[in-house]
Amino acid sequence: GAGVSQTPSNKVTEKGKYVELRCDPISGHTALYWYRQSLGQGPEFLIYFQGTGAADDSGLPNDRFFAVRPEGSVSTLKIQRTERGDSAVYLCASSFRGGAGYEQYFGPGTRLTVT
Amino acid sequence: ILNVEQSPQSLHVQEGDSTNFTCSFPSSNFYALHWYRWETAKSPEALFVMTLNGDEKKKGRISATLNTKEGYSYLYIKGSQPEDSATYLCAFYPLIQGAQKLVFGQGTRLTINP
Repeated sequence: GAGVSQTPSNKVTEKGKYVELRCDPISGHTALYWYRQSLGQGPEFLIYFQGTGAADDSGLPNDRFFAVRPEGSVSTLKIQRTERGDSAVYLCASSFRGGAGYEQYFGPGTRLTVT
Repeated sequence: ILNVEQSPQSLHVQEGDSTNFTCSFPSSNFYALHWYRWETAKSPEALFVMTLNGDEKKKGRISATLNTKEGYSYLYIKGSQPEDSATYLCAFYPLIQGAQKLVFGQGTRLTINP
């Protein structure tokens, strides 16, 4: 079946602008995660959704970052007043259920460049 | 601070040789350890999810072991092939109330030389 998809694959924006990144998880997966990967680093956790609710948002770096999953499927990561330091690959992953024992299925990522 | 270290950071191996690399993680608050393979221009792909001390898992030529008491996991690749070239990520899932997240290492970048 279809895997996790993310759009756009690349996004270039100017400093100070607002961006939205979209994630379509695997159908039937209740858990959805957002990560950010900077050059030379491993993915860094941002937020976890179980269904429609954010069960752990401890990784969001500041209040410019916000994510929603209104119907428990598609999720949107929103970044306000972008800064050059926000440039990274943003990865989305889903799993059948939340929790340590379930492998996560990743999308191809959105490469965000803030100029 | 939850710190996950992988070594080496990069590795070049001759085709046909076997290799291994290490993931170190906190030995307290252990819940699970995940291994992922990330090939260039593709999505990270799960290899193993390990939860029990002493666990050994195998998938084809790739295997992994887990020692939760000392906080390390090894990934082994037997008879390396060019298609094994990828970045291998390990991720620690801590048992902390309210936390539902993987903490990733920086990865081991493996290149197989034909």
